[in-house]
Amino acid sequence: AQKITQTQPGMFVQEKEAVTLDCTYDTSDQSYGLFWYKQPSSGEMIFLIYQGSYDEQNATEGRYSLNFQKARKSANLVISASQLGDSAMYFCAMREGLLYNQGGKLIFGQGTELSVKP
Amino acid sequence: GAGVSQSPSNKVTEKGKDVELRCDPISGHTALYWYRQSLGQGLEFLIYFQGNSAPDKSGLPSDRFSAERTGGSVSTLTIQRTQQEDSAVYLCASSLVPSSGNTIYFGEGSWLTVV
Repeated sequence: AQKITQTQPGMFVQEKEAVTLDCTYDTSDQSYGLFWYKQPSSGEMIFLIYQGSYDEQNATEGRYSLNFQKARKSANLVISASQLGDSAMYFCAMREGLLYNQGGKLIFGQGTELSVKP
Repeated sequence: GAGVSQSPSNKVTEKGKDVELRCDPISGHTALYWYRQSLGQGLEFLIYFQGNSAPDKSGLPSDRFSAERTGGSVSTLTIQRTQQEDSAVYLCASSLVPSSGNTIYFGEGSWLTVV
């Protein structure tokens, strides 16, 4: 069964510094996708970045990058140059079976609450 | 509309009553998901619809919970005989055919309070 683990309930980072949020996953499927979402206090879920299991390069989206280590089954999110507006909950998620119409449910980790200090 | 639309945005109900929560996905999205998020917690998977395939109901917590998706578009999540522990935000999400790279978009959620 698929599983996502985020071991950091809360993290603090100084404004303008980089921070890494950890995510490990477990799956027996060869085809899967990894997602990171941001959830500010308003409650909306904001998509940040996506990494497919067959993607050879780490995904990047602006200040967000995903450190994908397939052998270790980890998909850590790196936020560079942290801003006060980055303070939020961050969720790692995984979906198995991405080939054609085989996509399945999206499973989330428990989240990491990031606080950016001025 | 352009995004996933959920209604009602807030619902207060008495214990034992039935509630229906509605989700209108993004037009053309074949995949639709329901999640539950209790205060300060992660997202708990409830049910997943993909096209004409049988839905994945493996996350429904009890037989009081059911969901349907009519015409491959709008979905309704029904909770019968509500209990206080059902109080949570119910989030709906949709995506295109879930091939590589397709983003999953979330609605703003329906806040359910059972008193």
